Parts: sequence; C-alpha cells; structure tokens
Amino acid sequence: GENVEQHPSTLSVQEGDSAVIKCTYSDSASNYFPWYKQELGKGPQLIIDIRSNVGEKKDQRIAVTLNKTAKHFSLHITETQPEDSAVYFCAALNQAGTALIFGKGTTLSVSS
Amino acid sequence: DTEVTQTPKHLVMGMTNKKSLKCEQHMGHRAMYWYKQKAKKPPELMFVYSYEKLSINESVPSRFSPECPNSSLLNLHLHALQPEDSALYLCASSQALAGYNEQFFGPGTRLTVL
Repeated sequence: GENVEQHPSTLSVQEGDSAVIKCTYSDSASNYFPWYKQELGKGPQLIIDIRSNVGEKKDQRIAVTLNKTAKHFSLHITETQPEDSAVYFCAALNQAGTALIFGKGTTLSVSS
Repeated sequence: DTEVTQTPKHLVMGMTNKKSLKCEQHMGHRAMYWYKQKAKKPPELMFVYSYEKLSINESVPSRFSPECPNSSLLNLHLHALQPEDSALYLCASSQALAGYNEQFFGPGTRLTVL
C-alpha cells in the first residue's frame, strides 16, 4: 500500500524566513496530495492540495510543488509569521482512492 | 456553516465503562470519518461511512463500535477500553467518499482510559 515519508520532523525559523517541508510517496499511481495544518487543541485543516496533473500550486504565501518522476512533493511557506507555528501533515490517497495516508508530521516553530 | 462539532471535548473513563462520542455536521456531506490520533503522531483512520453505510473498517477492535444514525450524525460507542486507547479521537466529513474531496475535521475528543 501507499507509504508517505515526511521531513523534517521539527523546523524552527525566524519570522520572515521561508520554510520548506518535504514528503515522498511510494505508489506511483497516487494522484492527490493535500497538506493539513493542525494547531494546538484543534483538528487538522486543509491549507493547500495538488493533483498529479499539476506541477505547482500557489495560494498567497503558501505553495506546493510536485515531482511525479521522483515521487516527492513539498510545501513552501514564505514570509513566515508566528501564527504559522503548528504541526503540518502531508498526505496521499490510498490505492483505492478512498482514504488519506498521512506523513508523520512536521512541527514548525516561527519565532519573532 | 463549515463546522464539524464533537462532544464531549474531554472524557475520562474506566476500563469497564460504556461511553459514546458524538459528531455532527450540517454541510450536507455524505462521507464521515473517525480517526484516532496519539500525541505527536498523524491521524489514523478507523472507520468511514458513506451515505450512512459503513464503507471502511480499518481492522479496529470490536470494543469500538461506530454508528451513523443519519446523514448529519456519527457516533462512536466505547466499551471495555484499554489504557492504550487513550488518544484524541477526531471526526471528519467530506462531500463524498472520493479522496479529492476536502475533509473537514472537528476539534476532537480527548479520551483518557484509566
């Protein structure tokens, strides 16, 4: 089945810096890759997603890139702010396309 | 209204107790999910309901019993739990079962089993 690896597990940046989180997946047939942000005491929230027919997608300070050949995708956050501090999870669809397989998460800390 | 609500927020129970977790959404979503999340770990899928029918059961022990009384409600009945079942239980919903649909998560129920 699908397996998703996520790095790094923790990331500390200064306010205004960029942050990059990387994920790799195992199933070359996977075609949907969402990113979720989980703040303390809350459930995960979708922040951006990408489908396999697209190489890059941007939404203001957040972007996701996908390299299908290498089977990896990355989350890029520019001009980080303290409110970006949270745990970020990448995910991929399972083979049946019915459930998400999550990476282990990255704890991002943005200090002002 | 893009909110999934869960009650209670916190629950402490003994290993012989029976309790239930509740989840509600009013977005008209036809797929609803239960996840278990341990500290500093990703959510693990437990059950999926599609059109009020159980579609996926990820080999969850029978001490966890899901129920979907109608399209807006999802329950998780708990009985004879073990201390290792202590975790955050998250409910989510999406427009349909297909994976492209955004999953909206509730805030979770923090369960402690003594």
